Amino acid sequence: DIQMTQSPSSLPASLGERVTIICRASQGISNNLNWYQQKPDGTIKPLIYYTSNLQSGVPSSFSGSRSGTDYSLTISSLEPEDFAMYYCQQDASFPYTFGAGTKLELK
Amino acid sequence: EVQLVESGGGLVQPGRSLKLSCAASGFTFSDYNMAWVRQAPKKGLEWVATISYDGSSTYYRDSVKGRFTISRDNAKSTLYLQMDSLRSEDTATYYCARHVDYGYTDYFDYWGQGVMVTVSS
Repeated sequence: DIQMTQSPSSLPASLGERVTIICRASQGISNNLNWYQQKPDGTIKPLIYYTSNLQSGVPSSFSGSRSGTDYSLTISSLEPEDFAMYYCQQDASFPYTFGAGTKLELK
Repeated sequence: EVQLVESGGGLVQPGRSLKLSCAASGFTFSDYNMAWVRQAPKKGLEWVATISYDGSSTYYRDSVKGRFTISRDNAKSTLYLQMDSLRSEDTATYYCARHVDYGYTDYFDYWGQGVMVTVSS
């Protein structure tokens, strides 16, 4: 199975701040990396697919990129509704696996 | 509007069975692969199983293989998860999710609200 190592697990930040979350795969996944947001009520929605493609309806403050084996999710300027859990997920091969999650919380 | 509504969760004893359902609406159900993803209390997301658009192919994580069965009824736009020989470690919120497959990528573009399954004596 492909292991996804996500960091940090917790990220205190302020409104308007720029933040980055990182995921690293245990083997090559060829850009098959997606990002999801989970709100406290359990609602889950996709943000980024295939490393850097913005899901329809997602604000342009969200972006994704890759540098070598590291895949990143960046939020350029935090809004109140952005404070939530974030997960990366690889779809290169079954079993699809998720990172352990990052809790983005208000500092 | 795409909607996925799960049902069938509850409290069940270890070793017993439970069947989850996911009613889909707002899209042509038979065009999409579908999946179940679960989340144990205070834990992260874990893919459980996927079924192809026509039901001809199924995929499972190792820990549920032989115990869980994913199926679908395209005429009813409904996805199912039959869970047998349940264990305490199966306790989780189970989400129904729609795959979107662009060929080069395959991710979950819509999720249900989830249904809780508790396995305990």
